[in-house]
Amino acid sequence: DQQVKQNSPSLSVQEGRISILNCDYTNSMFDYFLWYKKYPAEGPTFLISISSIKDKNEDGRFTVFLNKSAKHLSLHIVPSQPGDSAVYFCAASTGAGSYQLTFGKGTKLSVIP
Amino acid sequence: DADVTQTPRNRITKTGKRIMLECSQTKGHDRMYWYRQDPGLGLRLIYYSFDVKDINKGEISDGYSVSRQAQAKFSLSLESAIPNQTALYFCATSADSINQPQHFGDGTRLSIL
Repeated sequence: DQQVKQNSPSLSVQEGRISILNCDYTNSMFDYFLWYKKYPAEGPTFLISISSIKDKNEDGRFTVFLNKSAKHLSLHIVPSQPGDSAVYFCAASTGAGSYQLTFGKGTKLSVIP
Repeated sequence: DADVTQTPRNRITKTGKRIMLECSQTKGHDRMYWYRQDPGLGLRLIYYSFDVKDINKGEISDGYSVSRQAQAKFSLSLESAIPNQTALYFCATSADSINQPQHFGDGTRLSIL
């Protein structure tokens, strides 16, 4: 059973608009959540994270929202830029530290100029 | 220079061969990880190590072994490669403190014929 689900395999957004990528999880023990961005032929790059004690974390154009009651998190990118086109992975971990990350399958974001 | 370096970047080999994938890091992190990614799927943890004397199995360790030769080096071996081990393999590192993100190398594309 997938514990971290990204139900949209792909998303297309116009440049300058908001991109919203969604992630759902089933394991209530998850307490630390991360988003990674991956370009072809490169490894995943850490983007932003959020601890379960928060419901929002911002870093420049990127904001992650966490709704623990719904077991849902989302990544907002505003404004979207063509360089944001990549595959985005949601990941989660339990306990202290970020070992044993559980990843979603990823969402491919295409930002159209 | 990359902080997390994986060698080789690409490898084609035959069923039954022993393969070693190497990972070295200059980040000074104690924790190191090996993941595999299959097409359309998220990353899955194979093995992880919290220091030189510590080795732990991840979600999918069968058919694999690891060696932590030094703080900076963590190698993954396939003792007798089989075609369903064809995948993209990633090494990652993280600092040894609470809620630290993992940082990935650029991956090794392994094909087993």
